[in-house]
Amino acid sequence: AQSVSQHNHHVILSEAASLELGCNYSYGGTVNLFWYVQYPGQHLQLLLKYFSGDPLVKGIKGFEAEFIKSKFSFNLRKPSVQWSDTAEYFCAVNKVSSNTGKLIFGQGTTLQVKP
Amino acid sequence: NAGVTQTPKFRVLKTGQSMTLLCAQDMNHEYMYWYRQDPGMGLRLIHYSVGEGTTAKGEVPDGYNVSRLKKQNFLLGLESAAPSQTSVYFCASSLSHSPLHFGNGTRLTVT
Repeated sequence: AQSVSQHNHHVILSEAASLELGCNYSYGGTVNLFWYVQYPGQHLQLLLKYFSGDPLVKGIKGFEAEFIKSKFSFNLRKPSVQWSDTAEYFCAVNKVSSNTGKLIFGQGTTLQVKP
Repeated sequence: NAGVTQTPKFRVLKTGQSMTLLCAQDMNHEYMYWYRQDPGMGLRLIHYSVGEGTTAKGEVPDGYNVSRLKKQNFLLGLESAAPSQTSVYFCASSLSHSPLHFGNGTRLTVT
């Protein structure tokens, strides 16, 4: 079965530190890839997405992610985190062939940024 | 334009009781989804619908039923609630292969 793995479950950083959150998926076909963020007590919001083209995609709030097809990875990065980035981050994958739009989510990574 | 609206926001049930969660979207999206979110497990798909009158099972459908009688509404039913169904439930909608738009969630506790 298709799965999505996020390597880091809980990350603690100081402000201005660089961030990289890992995401790997197991499906071999064509996929669309997403990163969502969930701030405390809120719903999920889209950070960025990859459908095709340039494998380096930029999202909101200074986040970016790189799709490496050979590694089945879609890691999220930010050069300098802020306290307001404290949130839970979810990687998600959609199989293009499914024609359903449904997403398979990773387990999530909780990011805590210390001021 | 409200997006995706879920009701209720909170609910406490006793084991064996039933309830229906309502999701409404005003974006004319074809696809709608129900997910549950549990600590350390991310979001898991319960049921989904690719159009009015159609529904399909997701990863964790047992104990839940759904209906999509109108394009804008997607109802999630629990016929006989169990403590294992204590969770936060999120509804989402989308166009085909586009990002999902999520509601604000329903926090359900089953005692």
